Amino acid sequence: GAGVSQSPSNKVTEKGKDVELRCDPISGHTALYWYRQSLGQGLEFLIYFQGNSAPDKSGLPSDRFSAERTGGSVSTLTIQRTQQEDSAVYLCASSPRGGGRTYEQYFGPGTRLTVT
Amino acid sequence: AQTVTQSQPEMSVQEAETVTLSCTYDTSENNYYLFWYKQPPSRQMILVIRQEAYKQQNATENRFSVNFQKAAKSFSLKISDSQLGDTAMYFCAFFNYGGSQGNLIFGKGTKLSVKP
Repeated sequence: GAGVSQSPSNKVTEKGKDVELRCDPISGHTALYWYRQSLGQGLEFLIYFQGNSAPDKSGLPSDRFSAERTGGSVSTLTIQRTQQEDSAVYLCASSPRGGGRTYEQYFGPGTRLTVT
Repeated sequence: AQTVTQSQPEMSVQEAETVTLSCTYDTSENNYYLFWYKQPPSRQMILVIRQEAYKQQNATENRFSVNFQKAAKSFSLKISDSQLGDTAMYFCAFFNYGGSQGNLIFGKGTKLSVKP
């Protein structure tokens, strides 16, 4: 079946602009995660959605970052007033959180964000 | 807090030979999984192998196997009969399913180059 998809694949934006990154999880997966991958920091957890529960936002680096998940499916990560340190690859993952292979996370191809 | 350490930033191996990537972790939890993910230049994170902490038997997936030493908190990945397509970044990851957080905790990664 289809895997996790993300759009855009690459995004170049000017400092101070807002950006939206989209993630389409695997159909039926109840859990969705956003991670950030940068050269200096490795892979960092940003936010986690599980079903209808309140999201775990403990990894968001500042209040310029927010995310929503509509209808338990598609998620959008929004970065307001982008800064150069926001340049990174943003990875989305989804997980079934039920059944046999419960805890495996399946990743999308990522969005490379470059802030100029 | 849990931490994951990969002490080998880069490794290389000749095609058809065997290589072992190291990973250690620190946790006081008992209910966890460990994973190895592969990230080729395409950026797509691919799950290679997983190990449930409660299982003593080491996981194997074709040419990939792990050496899980729970008391030593060590989780190494062995790649047998290395192939050019194994060239990638390899990340060790920890998941505590007994806690409230749902995210993976990653090591910094090991860049593996398979040479012809």
